[in-house]
Amino acid sequence: EAGVAQSPRYKIIEKRQSVAFWCNPISGHATLYWYQQILGQGPKLLIQFQNNGVVDDSQLPKDRFSAERLKGVDSTLKIQPAKLEDSAVYLCASSEGNYNEQFFGPGTRLTVL
Amino acid sequence: DQQVKQNSPSLSVQEGRISILNCDYTNSMFDYFLWYKKYPAEGPTFLISISSIKDKNEDGRFTVFLNKSAKHLSLHIVPSQPGDSAVYFCAASSNTGNQFYFGTGTSLTVIP
Repeated sequence: EAGVAQSPRYKIIEKRQSVAFWCNPISGHATLYWYQQILGQGPKLLIQFQNNGVVDDSQLPKDRFSAERLKGVDSTLKIQPAKLEDSAVYLCASSEGNYNEQFFGPGTRLTVL
Repeated sequence: DQQVKQNSPSLSVQEGRISILNCDYTNSMFDYFLWYKKYPAEGPTFLISISSIKDKNEDGRFTVFLNKSAKHLSLHIVPSQPGDSAVYFCAASSNTGNQFYFGTGTSLTVIP
């Protein structure tokens, strides 16, 4: 079974630039999550999708972050414009339902200079 | 507000001995707990879980203990192996909510 795929693995940008991350969850998984993990901290949920609908985006900084999962399969997370404090690893995870074990992708390490 | 806390950032253990990783939580509504293991440059991988209806769950060398009155859980690894060296995160959720809250992680080093 293929795991959660993410790209790119690494990205370096300057502040005020835009960046987008892509995630393809495990086939058949209805729930998709985007997490932000800052160095030395645990993953923090940014947004959770159930199929193509948003379940929870309460911790997503909506003035600069956006995410979509148009067809209920893969998803993109965008930051526009980026700030220095956005430097982190962005993890995508998927699960069969809302209350199931989550499977994580390898993450995208973002460095904002 | 950190609802799940792992107060030990790091732990070193000799190979063959027991590793005990601790986790505390503040939200009494949490009823499902998981441990994840993370190697460098990889995403976290699920290790073991426990529901609040139990106080112990065992899977091979890994055992998770839950003390609801103390809002505390621990992961025991016996015997510890060098391949267990990784960062371990505990996470908690409630069936009335959707999200999992993660601790800050404990870096375990098993010395051969």
